[in-house]
Amino acid sequence: QKEVEQDPGPLSVPEGAIVSLNCTYSNSAFQYFMWYRQYSRKGPELLMYTYSSGNKEDGRFTAQVDKSSKYISLFIRDSQPSDSATYLCAMTGGSNYKLTFGKGTLLTVNP
Amino acid sequence: DVKVTQSSRYLVKRTGEKVFLECVQDMDHENMFWYRQDPGLGLRLIYFSYDVKMKEKGDIPEGYSVSREKKERFSLILESASTNQTSMYLCASTVGVQETQYFGPGTRLLVL
Repeated sequence: QKEVEQDPGPLSVPEGAIVSLNCTYSNSAFQYFMWYRQYSRKGPELLMYTYSSGNKEDGRFTAQVDKSSKYISLFIRDSQPSDSATYLCAMTGGSNYKLTFGKGTLLTVNP
Repeated sequence: DVKVTQSSRYLVKRTGEKVFLECVQDMDHENMFWYRQDPGLGLRLIYFSYDVKMKEKGDIPEGYSVSREKKERFSLILESASTNQTSMYLCASTVGVQETQYFGPGTRLLVL
């Protein structure tokens, strides 16, 4: 079983839709969870950062962590064409420097 | 704002050439990383450095070496480039173990 599983998509939605992106993981030591957004031919940029279980909201974006199920989600409300990108989940246990990444989900928001 | 810059956005090299990729961060971060990103394989860690002159191998160090002579600068070296090293190379830095990593814009390397 891979440490982090992420559906690669592609996911195509109409503008204004609610988008749900998910990752599952197997390592119960993971405590810090991140979502990165990567536009085509650019480096990843941090979108959301959460510690342990719970929800975190930032504008149209909500990150959710369920450690009991080893499942994390990113919700995008009122999606915009500018949200079209690859979304990468990443996580770490915090005891070393290594981040474990999902392979990314390609999202297209159609106007 | 954290800024991580990489020396080149696009690079074309011949098989067997020695290739230098340079990364500079301006936030006094202790830790710096080199990844490669390939379709279907995601981000894979090549090397990281937690201090000047300190380095540790990542998941795929074969065919690569690194140099960190100054805190702000971390170089990736391909001693003898091969076609299977054609990839997108990403540098990142972070202030601490529990902190997020900040990425540079990436270098697309093509080895012919």
